[in-house]
Amino acid sequence: QKEVEQNSGPLSVPEGAIASLNCTYSDRVSQSFFWYRQYSGKSPELIMSIYSNGDKEDGRFTAQLNKASQYVSLLIRDSQPSDSATYLCAVNSDSNTGNQFYFGTGTSLTVIP
Amino acid sequence: NAGVTQTPKFQVLKTGQSMTLQCAQDMNHNSMYWYRQDPGMGLRLIYYSASEGTTDKGEVPNGYNVSRLNKREFSLRLESAAPSQTSVYFCASSDHAGSSTDTQYFGPGTRLTVL
Repeated sequence: QKEVEQNSGPLSVPEGAIASLNCTYSDRVSQSFFWYRQYSGKSPELIMSIYSNGDKEDGRFTAQLNKASQYVSLLIRDSQPSDSATYLCAVNSDSNTGNQFYFGTGTSLTVIP
Repeated sequence: NAGVTQTPKFQVLKTGQSMTLQCAQDMNHNSMYWYRQDPGMGLRLIYYSASEGTTDKGEVPNGYNVSRLNKREFSLRLESAAPSQTSVYFCASSDHAGSSTDTQYFGPGTRLTVL
């Protein structure tokens, strides 16, 4: 069983602050890593993908990957109330029958105006 | 370009009834997936289809069957619904099976209640 662990939260930050979301995974051969945002009652929406060690920035979002530590994080700068959602971490591992994606249980983020 | 569509959006069944959840994608993706999402459990893979004509079991396949009807469509069938199958069901598709950069895109979900 390949595990993806996230702190379920809830995480609360004031508007304009940096929100930091963390994820660890157990499978050392995992190759691709994703952050999805899920608003209540809606489907997961892809925010970021990262494949190599280091940082990847997209607007207010930065994903950080450390394969040696089996750790991936998401930073949200200048947090807005519209960022309030559950954030799902996912990893993708090749198997002999194709790709499989494994999801964490999500971290609930609330941005307080 | 509708992306991934699912029908129905909501469904209530009685224990023992059967139903089929429909999913279609218009992105010409090779791979399609069915997940269920329960509170505190995250997304769990039921079945997936790496390519047209193939299907494989995921983490929680018991009580479900699937059909990859063609490249666009992937259906999930509950033959004899049980209250434990009350959940939100998401269909997803991805662009390239076997690629390390494969990315999944989700449909809007089906909210199923089994009484």
